[in-house]
Amino acid sequence: GAVVSQHPSWVICKSGTSVKIECRSLDFQATTMFWYRQFPKQSLMLMATSNEGSKATYEQGVEKDKFLINHASLTLSTLTVTSAHPEDSSFYICSARGRGHPEAFFGQGTRLTVV
Amino acid sequence: QKEVEQDPGPLSVPEGAIVSLNCTYSNSAFQYFMWYRQYSRKGPELLMYTYSSGNKEDGRFTAQVDKSSKYISLFIRDSQPSDSATYLCAMSSGGSYIPTFGRGTSLIVHP
Repeated sequence: GAVVSQHPSWVICKSGTSVKIECRSLDFQATTMFWYRQFPKQSLMLMATSNEGSKATYEQGVEKDKFLINHASLTLSTLTVTSAHPEDSSFYICSARGRGHPEAFFGQGTRLTVV
Repeated sequence: QKEVEQDPGPLSVPEGAIVSLNCTYSNSAFQYFMWYRQYSRKGPELLMYTYSSGNKEDGRFTAQVDKSSKYISLFIRDSQPSDSATYLCAMSSGGSYIPTFGRGTSLIVHP
């Protein structure tokens, strides 16, 4: 299968600071990338969908000014959690799909802890 | 009613058993069906992808789609302790291809 690399795998930051998470498709062009949040023992919660060169489409209830998503190239999307607070602590996962391919491939996930 | 229903389990089976995991859905527009495996604290891994109705086999895994019943299944033969994980079904329609996920079934294969 295709490879999606997500970095960092874990991060601890202080309350009020910003954190950037990168998601890269290594062997295919990702026309669409998805960002999810996952709480323990729960399923994936879609936060936003981004298409290369376009603004991200956020799901209802997700603050776009807090979770900044950039999809500037066909292989890279970033999620920046701005002014992080302890309630933002979670597991964030990206996935990517190529043009004409419905199946999406996931990154390894990033565990964010805000202290 | 959720668009995709999946029993969270846990499902506990002995090593070597045949495992059956299932999802039902309500949106008749779904055409693409995926199964993912997720280990604890890891991102989901794509196991199987099928389009429309029918069967698909890959090693010990078989995916079945019955669109008339809006029911999909994943069978695991000769289950191993390393198969212990959460299995997520996902499906999407043409156009946006935004996947809708089930909540996942926790599988435990004990030696």
